[in-house]
Amino acid sequence: ETGVTQSPTHLIKTRGQQVTLRCSSQSGHNTVSWYQQALGQGPQFIFQYYREEENGRGNFPPRFSGLQFPNYSSELNVNALELDDSALYLCASSFRDANTEAFFGQGTRLTVV
Amino acid sequence: AQSVAQPEDQVNVAEGNPLTVKCTYSVSGNPYLFWYVQYPNRGLQFLLKYITGDNLVKGSYGFEAEFNKSQTSFHLKKPSALVSDSALYFCAVRDRAAGNKLTFGGGTRVLVKP
Repeated sequence: ETGVTQSPTHLIKTRGQQVTLRCSSQSGHNTVSWYQQALGQGPQFIFQYYREEENGRGNFPPRFSGLQFPNYSSELNVNALELDDSALYLCASSFRDANTEAFFGQGTRLTVV
Repeated sequence: AQSVAQPEDQVNVAEGNPLTVKCTYSVSGNPYLFWYVQYPNRGLQFLLKYITGDNLVKGSYGFEAEFNKSQTSFHLKKPSALVSDSALYFCAVRDRAAGNKLTFGGGTRVLVKP
């Protein structure tokens, strides 16, 4: 196990609702990234946080937002859910250095109906 | 922009035979390259990485990968596959000049038959 934990593991929401996903980083890591993995596809980068500030963002609309807390845990918030938001959401923690590997949590499976 | 291609959706191999999973990449600068494995209903598990130095990288569970700059490839290999190696494999690249964003390929499903 990586030491990265995500909650909840599964979630069902209705279109238009808002959702918050949570991630606890591996001890010692100061950087957290979020990825969306649609069924049958590779993970897509949503954004990254370092020292509680957004440090890079992928091609996702502003209704995807995040927070990083002083203990390096993190939240992913998605507003105005759409059916296409149904996916596995993965949190990854790492050190900031680009040459270090990221360690992933088990993911949150979000289903929007 | 950086990108990764995994040309094979699925690779079938008999247990005990060599396993190769192909990956090519495109970055504007020098790459950091990674392989991850995903088992059903699980997150991604790190296997190995290439940062610099020796082109042959050894990783977890007997896997290795060879970095080829001229062919912009980073193929994953295992000399003798096990049934338990059956999983989804992802190649990923980080452009050293573009921050810490990981760009993943579409994944290759490996099926090892007894």
